[in-house]
Amino acid sequence: NAGVMQNPRHLVRRRGQEARLRCSPVKGHSHVYWYRQLPEEGLKFMVYLQKENIIDESGMPKERFSAEFPKEGPSILRIQQVVRGDSAAYFCASSPVPGQGFSGANVLTFGAGSRLTVL
Amino acid sequence: KNEVEQSPQNLTAQEGEFITINCSYSVGISALHWLQQHPGGGIVSLFMLSSGKKKHGRLIATINIQEKHSSLHITASHPRDSAVYICAVRSFGNEKLTFGTGTRLTIIP
Repeated sequence: NAGVMQNPRHLVRRRGQEARLRCSPVKGHSHVYWYRQLPEEGLKFMVYLQKENIIDESGMPKERFSAEFPKEGPSILRIQQVVRGDSAAYFCASSPVPGQGFSGANVLTFGAGSRLTVL
Repeated sequence: KNEVEQSPQNLTAQEGEFITINCSYSVGISALHWLQQHPGGGIVSLFMLSSGKKKHGRLIATINIQEKHSSLHITASHPRDSAVYICAVRSFGNEKLTFGTGTRLTIIP
């Protein structure tokens, strides 16, 4: 596992359907972050998770969005009842340790992103 | 005013030119990242800085904590450097990154 693996890379959904985006972190990384990039906009933080725990979800919309990072398996970002405004690129990143201090090991590795299009 | 401001928004230069992209931020930070995003592609973390200067190949990143400012320099620029360069900061006490809007760099052969 050389990097962060996201799938699907592209997902098309109709309004009202559910979208599930998966993220497998770098092997050994226990911290996962989800970011959203709306068309022609910058990246925005959504949620930060450790195994089985949501640490910071201050960037998540209050409704329809949820995230999990189970003990086994990938992290999942779930969007229920999608709307056109959910169309975006969703990026996952992982790190081995919390952002404490200035350790060179505190590396953030991004996945290639999942591009959601809502018709 | 955004917490993270980048300049310029767009930059076009000839191959071989020395490139500077600037990032200013308004909050206290524990670290600053420089990221590279190619069109339609993923994001690569170039540097993470908390002080001073880092160099990797033709890329140099500097940060001045007192002035809340960082610069990314590219020496001997090449068309393959064409990408969006994004500055992101991490505040003390939390893990989320706040991103600048990016600088779109185009290097003409």
